[in-house]
Amino acid sequence: SQQGEEDPQALSIQEGENATMNCSYKTSINNLQWYRQNSGRGLVHLILIRSNEREKHSGRLRVTLDTSKKSSSLLITASRAADTASYFCATGGSARQLTFGSGTQLTVLP
Amino acid sequence: DSGVTQTPKHLITATGQRVTLRCSPRSGDLSVYWYQQSLDQGLQFLIQYYNGEERAKGNILERFSAQQFPDLHSELNLSSLELGDSALYFCASSVGSWGTQETQYFGPGTRLLVL
Repeated sequence: SQQGEEDPQALSIQEGENATMNCSYKTSINNLQWYRQNSGRGLVHLILIRSNEREKHSGRLRVTLDTSKKSSSLLITASRAADTASYFCATGGSARQLTFGSGTQLTVLP
Repeated sequence: DSGVTQTPKHLITATGQRVTLRCSPRSGDLSVYWYQQSLDQGLQFLIQYYNGEERAKGNILERFSAQQFPDLHSELNLSSLELGDSALYFCASSVGSWGTQETQYFGPGTRLLVL
């Protein structure tokens, strides 16, 4: 079963624009992580935000977490064609396993 | 390159057969995780081993089994294969035992096709 649900399922933007993806989850968490997956390849860890954090930055990435709404967002600023990929949120709670969402397919057009 | 290696890259087999997927974690990582990614189920956690011992179990079928060897590489055995087992199988590794609290490094995956 999938804990997180990303929104939108697909997003298409022009190079240079910002991309925002959202993730909603159902149960309480200790942290939330975002991963990127290029087509048919392995996942790459982007950022981890703990439940007591509200915002975190890493380069062109900005992640927010609202535990009261059980939601997170990933913002990619000044997007590039190389950012084209699927983006997944993954939640970590009391169980010893990451639960991944269904992913957002981002296409950045040159 | 994550440092996690998986072999083979592709595997084509028939229903009812048995296959073994292999994973070598990053140097220094003690945990290995196995995931299955399919179009209908998404990315599902199967099982975790930490330093040779099973640490967590997810949605792993009884027809599937795994182990981690003393050199820390891991194998995932899939038996009595069905068409629905066709998927991408990923291995990931991490330093510690609580994979939800740390970065997991994913391998390139093994694409399994059951005909």
